Amino acid sequence: EAGVTQSPTHLIKTRGQQATLRCSPISGHTSVYWYQQALGLGLQFLLWYDEGEERNRGNFPPRFSGRQFPNYSSELNVNALELEDSALYLCASSLGDRATRLNIQYFGAGTRLSVL
Amino acid sequence: GQNIDQPTEMTATEGAIVQINCTYQTSGFNGLFWYQQHAGEAPTFLSYNVLDGLEEKGRFSSFLSRSKGYSYLLLKELQMKDSASYLCAVSESGGYQKVTFGIGTKLQVIP
Repeated sequence: EAGVTQSPTHLIKTRGQQATLRCSPISGHTSVYWYQQALGLGLQFLLWYDEGEERNRGNFPPRFSGRQFPNYSSELNVNALELEDSALYLCASSLGDRATRLNIQYFGAGTRLSVL
Repeated sequence: GQNIDQPTEMTATEGAIVQINCTYQTSGFNGLFWYQQHAGEAPTFLSYNVLDGLEEKGRFSSFLSRSKGYSYLLLKELQMKDSASYLCAVSESGGYQKVTFGIGTKLQVIP
């Protein structure tokens, strides 16, 4: 069974540009989470989607946005890129909000975004 | 909201035992997870605790005390490959489940 897949692996952009990151969850998972991990820092929660809806949002500016598609895959968009957006962006998936047991999050390998 | 504390760094010797502590404060507790993250890689799931007590999984064990807001991850027979960051994460109960990660404990295993 395939795990969480993210693309691209690496992305290089310049200040002011837009970046689009993609994530495909584990088959059967309806929840997708996005995290930012800057070098040497912990996981910072960005967004949580479940069943196509945004369920929660971390403390990030509105230029960080995303969406979840009917097949539960997800996109993270970062507009007007700034140098400090350089980080590893991790996507995780879980069974979703309706699951009756604890939702374990499984992570993809991440997209390393470099803003020059 | 939630607050999670764990030591920033630890060093231990190959073959030894190490205990990584995690304390948390939450308005509604649903469960606690431990993840391992090697440098530059994605976190991988190690264990979870919902009820008080010890959960053992091979060389790794995790303990939870809900009344004390406390957990630890115990690693036995340390190997060099265990050098990694260990993340404590707490799931908050409520209509929408929310998981908050601690900053992680960077463990260095030395010969």
